[in-house]
Amino acid sequence: EVQLLESGGGLVQPGGSLRLSCAASGFTFSSYGMSWVRQAPGKGLEWVSALSGNGGSTFYADSVKGRFTISRDNSKNILYLQMNSLRAEDTAIYYCAKDQGTGSYDHWGQGTLVTVSS
Amino acid sequence: EIVLTQSPGTLSLSPGERATLSCRASQSVNSRNLAWFQQKPGQAPRLLIYSASSRATGIPDRFSGSGSGTDFTLTISRLEPEDFAVYYCQQYGSSPLFSFGPGTKVDIK
Repeated sequence: EVQLLESGGGLVQPGGSLRLSCAASGFTFSSYGMSWVRQAPGKGLEWVSALSGNGGSTFYADSVKGRFTISRDNSKNILYLQMNSLRAEDTAIYYCAKDQGTGSYDHWGQGTLVTVSS
Repeated sequence: EIVLTQSPGTLSLSPGERATLSCRASQSVNSRNLAWFQQKPGQAPRLLIYSASSRATGIPDRFSGSGSGTDFTLTISRLEPEDFAVYYCQQYGSSPLFSFGPGTKVDIK
């Protein structure tokens, strides 16, 4: 059974940093692209960042480019999102999601809440 | 940059009725790169349809997807009580690499 378990969310002040983790199990982690998708309170889904299976290709939404860094450790089956220079508008539930290979996400984690506030 | 627009914003229907949800792209989208998700309150999204018309694993056949180019449709043939939720379309492959529509809420009339 595929499982994705996010952690690392919490309350952080504007300008601060946070690192999210997503522990994956139940599939060959290194064979699949992974993404982070976020959802602000009461709002829709926003794609944040994506990473190829081998970690060689990274992609970012314009809203986070230069501030967030996606990475993965295929030996530990963990996806990361390093978030720097956080802003109030980054407040959201952050989901990690597995790309089934067609550019669509067939499995999602339960999400971790990031709140940026002073 | 591709922008996805979904209509209507809210669809009020009764159980047993047919739901037709629209997703329109500002530029042509490869049909292989168009997906639909369902999200219920407090839950993560769930993949329903990928490649515009292929049902994901475990999705009932009352859900179907169609369309090409800039116009795509998700149809729920007969609404079950558990189908009342928010539905998002998503594209992959164009700038931005991934993007979602704003969602259509299907609520009980």
